[in-house]
Amino acid sequence: DAKTTQPTSMDCAEGRAANLPCNHSTISGNEYVYWYRQIHSQGPQYIIHGLKNNETNEMASLIITEDRKSSTLILPHATLRDTAVYYCIVRELNSGGSNYKLTFGKGTLLTVNP
Amino acid sequence: NAGVTQTPKFQVLKTGQSMTLQCAQDMNHEYMSWYRQDPGMGLRLIHYSVGAGITDQGEVPNGYNVSRSTTEDFPLRLLSAAPSQTSVYFCASSYPEAGGKQETQYFGPGTRLLVL
Repeated sequence: DAKTTQPTSMDCAEGRAANLPCNHSTISGNEYVYWYRQIHSQGPQYIIHGLKNNETNEMASLIITEDRKSSTLILPHATLRDTAVYYCIVRELNSGGSNYKLTFGKGTLLTVNP
Repeated sequence: NAGVTQTPKFQVLKTGQSMTLQCAQDMNHEYMSWYRQDPGMGLRLIHYSVGAGITDQGEVPNGYNVSRSTTEDFPLRLLSAAPSQTSVYFCASSYPEAGGKQETQYFGPGTRLLVL
């Protein structure tokens, strides 16, 4: 799986949009971009994923650059409960076996301030 | 649905003791896995299973055994606990991917293990 690079930490004011960047310059054509987050002392939680096109769901939006070498997770109106470590993961399209696994890096600690 | 459940929530062991961390899911997911998370680190895969009767090793399998006799349960056994196994353990499950659809993984709340 391709390696990802994320900032160690970011701050955001409550109510503002949080934009979390991720670089994945070695991503291959079969690899999706996934975002998970981990609120303190809890298990990771899926947020969103995408391949080429921008994606939006009830939690967030995912913007993937045209060359797919980077992406941005957007939380449109951050709340204090969004304070968490956010993980950007790239992962190959279904090929079974160990490719089900998620490779977590250290992620970005997002702190939402009142 | 309860989702993915893990027991116990906390455990303290002495070096050399054995124990089993329990993981169960009620979503009929075929894929299950165990991760460990050490302070300041990301999650590392210990073992995984793609279905009942099938298990395989992840990145850090040494010192751990797993079995998958049913779809619902995927216990993790520590054979002889060592202080290096002090960690938070997470179990996860998902459907297998089909038709190009990438299924998400659901994580349990974790088991915090301290080995003295």
